[in-house]
Amino acid sequence: AQKITQTQPGMFVQEKEAVTLDCTYDTSDPSYGLFWYKQPSSGEMIFLIYQGSYDQQNATEGRYSLNFQKARKSANLVISASQLGDSAMYFCAMRTALKGGSEKLVFGKGTKLTVNP
Amino acid sequence: AAGVIQSPRHLIKEKRETATLKCYPIPRHDTVYWYQQGPGQDPQFLISFYEKMQSDKGSIPDRFSAQQFSDYHSELNMSSLELGDSALYFCASSFDHEQFFGPGTRLTVL
Repeated sequence: AQKITQTQPGMFVQEKEAVTLDCTYDTSDPSYGLFWYKQPSSGEMIFLIYQGSYDQQNATEGRYSLNFQKARKSANLVISASQLGDSAMYFCAMRTALKGGSEKLVFGKGTKLTVNP
Repeated sequence: AAGVIQSPRHLIKEKRETATLKCYPIPRHDTVYWYQQGPGQDPQFLISFYEKMQSDKGSIPDRFSAQQFSDYHSELNMSSLELGDSALYFCASSFDHEQFFGPGTRLTVL
């Protein structure tokens, strides 16, 4: 069964520094995709970045980059130049094919990031 | 850019009442998903629709039902509400692999 593991319940970082949030995954599917979402205290789930298993390059979106190491089954999120507004819960998720043809997301337990001024 | 719209944003119900949550997906997205996120938990998949047909079901109680209408909006109907149904309910839509979430409906059952 597909599983996402986020081993850091909480992380602290100083404003303007970079931070890495860890994510490891387990799947037997040859084709899969990995996501990172940000959930501020207001509750909405904000899509940050996506990495497909066959993508040759690591995904990047502005200050977010995904350090994808396929052999290690890890997909860590790197946030550069942290800002106070980055304080939130961060979820790593993997898409899983379902019998009916759709794909559900399986989420990790999340990492709460706090950016200190 | 258009986003997923959910209504209402907040809902308070008594035990054993019913609730209806609505979702309007991003235009031209063909798949809609519903997720439930309990307090301090990660989101759990409930049900999905592809082109207005139910596609897959997850851990959705029999008290819950959902449908997608001809205009692609979807509704999650919840009956005989229990205290444990208090959660944030997300709708997400997708056209390819990326799922975009709505702002969620926070349901509180008293």
